[in-house]
Amino acid sequence: KAGVTQTPRYLIKTRGQQVTLSCSPISGHRSVSWYQQTPGQGLQFLFEYFSETQRNKGNFPGRFSGRQFSNSRSEMNVSTLELGDSALYLCASTFQGTEAFFGQGTRLTVV
Amino acid sequence: AQTVTQSQPEMSVQEAETVTLSCTYDTSESDYYLFWYKQPPSRQMILVIRQEAYKQQNATENRFSVNFQKAAKSFSLKISDSQLGDAAMYFCAFNFGNEKLTFGTGTRLTIIP
Repeated sequence: KAGVTQTPRYLIKTRGQQVTLSCSPISGHRSVSWYQQTPGQGLQFLFEYFSETQRNKGNFPGRFSGRQFSNSRSEMNVSTLELGDSALYLCASTFQGTEAFFGQGTRLTVV
Repeated sequence: AQTVTQSQPEMSVQEAETVTLSCTYDTSESDYYLFWYKQPPSRQMILVIRQEAYKQQNATENRFSVNFQKAAKSFSLKISDSQLGDAAMYFCAFNFGNEKLTFGTGTRLTIIP
């Protein structure tokens, strides 16, 4: 069974631009969560989607948004990028509320 | 508020020895899942072991085992026969029933050959 796939793996963007990250969960997993990892703030929950609906949301500004498609694939978007958005963005998929399986992450650098 | 604390930013252990990583948490919930994740330099988060809070028996996965003390809100990870491949950041994490994982700050484990 294929794992969680995140694309792209690395991304460099300029301040003010927007970016879209993609996540394909494990087949059969309907819940997809996103996390931001930075050296200063650690791992922080962004949001979680289940059956195309956002069920949980972390404490991030409205510039961070996401969506989920009918095949459970998810995208997250960050608009008007700031230097502080540079981070590793991790996606995780879950089956029936048990352990989360993570992708390899997308390393976003904002310059 | 639900919090997770890992008080050991760094730990080191000799190869083949045993090491214990500590984690404490605070919650008013009675039912939840607890996890230890490993993050090697590749940055992918890998599940090491999981424990259901309602189970009294401590989970074990090969060389990895936990000491879960629910009343004390403590959840430590013991790694036996440490191997070079065990070197990584280790995070304890909790799922309080809403698909959101709350992570500790991590412990960097170094294996000394």
